[in-house]
Amino acid sequence: GNSVTQMEGPVTLSEEAFLTINCTYTATGYPSLFWYVQYPGEGLQLLLKATKADDKGSNKGFEATYRKETTSFHLEKGSVQVSDSAVYFCALSDSGTSYGKLTFGQGTILTVHP
Amino acid sequence: DTGVSQDPRHKITKRGQNVTFRCDPISEHNRLYWYRQTLGQGPEFLTYFQNEAQLEKSRLLSDRFSAERPKGSFSTLEIQRTEQGDSAMYLCASSAHSGGRTYEQYFGPGTRLTVT
Repeated sequence: GNSVTQMEGPVTLSEEAFLTINCTYTATGYPSLFWYVQYPGEGLQLLLKATKADDKGSNKGFEATYRKETTSFHLEKGSVQVSDSAVYFCALSDSGTSYGKLTFGQGTILTVHP
Repeated sequence: DTGVSQDPRHKITKRGQNVTFRCDPISEHNRLYWYRQTLGQGPEFLTYFQNEAQLEKSRLLSDRFSAERPKGSFSTLEIQRTEQGDSAMYLCASSAHSGGRTYEQYFGPGTRLTVT
């Protein structure tokens, strides 16, 4: 079955530091890949997505590239801010047969200090 | 567009009681999903509807769980004879599906269930 593995967390950084959160996946076919973010006290929000190999998703300074050869979708940001503190979830959708249901990783807690 | 709403936001119940949660999707979305999220974990898929038809159920959805979407709009998730292991955040999401393509899912704020 499908699965998503995120790097062990939590991650603590100083403001303006470089961020990488690793994500690898296992899936049949050609899944779409997503990063969702959950800010404290709020619901899950889609951060970015990529639907085919070598696509780069980007939003709010965050980027992730769909790497089929390494089955990875690592999240990066060049300079984090305190307001980026949240829980980040990598997810995939095997839309070929599962009609869009999402399989999530366990989440990575990011804390950014001033 | 008011987004996905869920009610109640919090529910505390005693073991053995029945509970029902409601989800109102974005009005033009024909797909509705239920997920469960336990502390420190990512959401896990439970079931989804296209219009009023329930098209898939996870093995996580025991026979104590039932979900409905009677008119293809709002949905309810009922848990009968609750157990402490049912304590979790129950998330609802909706999306559009047309022309063989499913679009992004938008999530509600969730209902936090605590079974004592």
